[in-house]
Amino acid sequence: DAKTTQPNSMESNEEEPVHLPCNHSTISGTDYIHWYRQLPSQGPEYVIHGLTSNVNNRMASLAIAEDRKSSTLILHRATLRDAAVYYCILRDYYTGANSKLTFGKGITLSVRP
Amino acid sequence: DVKVTQSSRYLVKRTGEKVFLECVQDMDHENMFWYRQDPGLGLRLIYFSYDVKMKEKGDIPEGYSVSREKKERFSLILESASTNQTSMYLCASSIDRGSSPLHFGNGTRLTVT
Repeated sequence: DAKTTQPNSMESNEEEPVHLPCNHSTISGTDYIHWYRQLPSQGPEYVIHGLTSNVNNRMASLAIAEDRKSSTLILHRATLRDAAVYYCILRDYYTGANSKLTFGKGITLSVRP
Repeated sequence: DVKVTQSSRYLVKRTGEKVFLECVQDMDHENMFWYRQDPGLGLRLIYFSYDVKMKEKGDIPEGYSVSREKKERFSLILESASTNQTSMYLCASSIDRGSSPLHFGNGTRLTVT
């Protein structure tokens, strides 16, 4: 299974942009890149996903490297509510029995007021 | 909105008991997952299912079994609970497609004494 690697933690100042990196050097051509975040005492929630092109939604932007071996989740203006653990995972287009999804430890984002 | 409901938020069981953790989703999703989450270890996949009566082992299946008799319900079974199974258990569901996000429940915190 393709794996992702992320730094353990990052810090940011409130109202500044945050760039959260993820490496996935063994990504296959059919893997989607998904990002989730987990707030304290809650289950993870979906943030964004992409395949090849950069993606934007109301929560964040996803920048995908041209070779797809890395991606970056961008929070345009961090708020205190964005302090969470952020997970980057790969999900194969062909699911079914290939649906095994490994999350790992994620990045713990701290936001300073 | 998709709803993934885990039957208990907190559960306390004794060593050797048989424990059932229930998860129900209301969106006709094919895929369902069980993870456990421990400090410093992130989310680890125990089992997943991509269809009724279909199940696949995740990364840490030892000591656990699962049941998926109906599409909406995925049960995690601890045949003989042990103290090292004290953990937060998270259930998730998804459409069976690589571009589809996972939807998580809020977790069951199990303590085995």
